Amino acid sequence: DGGITQSPKYLFRKEGQNVTLSCEQNLNHDAMYWYRQDPGQGLRLIYYSQIVNDFQKGDIAEGYSVSREKKESFPLTVTSAQKNPTAFYLCASSGVAGGTGELFFGEGSRLTVL
Amino acid sequence: GNSVTQMEGPVTLSEEAFLTINCTYTATGYPSLFWYVQYPGEGLQLLLKATKADDKGSNKGFEATYRKETTSFHLEKGSVQVSDSAVYFCALSDIDNAGNMLTFGGGTRLMVKP
Repeated sequence: DGGITQSPKYLFRKEGQNVTLSCEQNLNHDAMYWYRQDPGQGLRLIYYSQIVNDFQKGDIAEGYSVSREKKESFPLTVTSAQKNPTAFYLCASSGVAGGTGELFFGEGSRLTVL
Repeated sequence: GNSVTQMEGPVTLSEEAFLTINCTYTATGYPSLFWYVQYPGEGLQLLLKATKADDKGSNKGFEATYRKETTSFHLEKGSVQVSDSAVYFCALSDIDNAGNMLTFGGGTRLMVKP
């Protein structure tokens, strides 16, 4: 079935360590996104990519990095520079820009810093 | 800039009660409007959408009408079930923006008691 796969679902990290969250889609979508969700709050955009080998910062990009080497994949690295990384991370994708704007989401990755 | 404002939760209802979750928006262009639902521990799923003024989106007994004159997109359901307990997000997509990035409201938690 087509969809978005995020892994791992749960991740624990010690302070000072970098960690990479995986996001893979088989929907043939051009655009991919990373959002952060904190308890009881809405979604905040970290990074987005509209095409392979190109990406832009969202509202809260500090302490994060991404790459887009393949259309299907958009991994997010949470670096040690991120002051408060414990959160629920959601990856999403969408089709051609200028469409109706629907995003398709993965099931999320919960990161906990010990 | 674009913004979405939702009523704060939690909203607690008894089974078979009528549900309204208010959503208002500010946008510079002609947005499409969405309601997404998030069940515990999962990603977001599209519930319904409307792409132009006076359109009504509907799905699973939920409805919302795109009201341009009041810049609103309130979510309604005539008879809620325990299985409707989730967090509901209102969102907009403005085609004047790059790509299909959505602007989300803060989410409203719905709890339905038997």
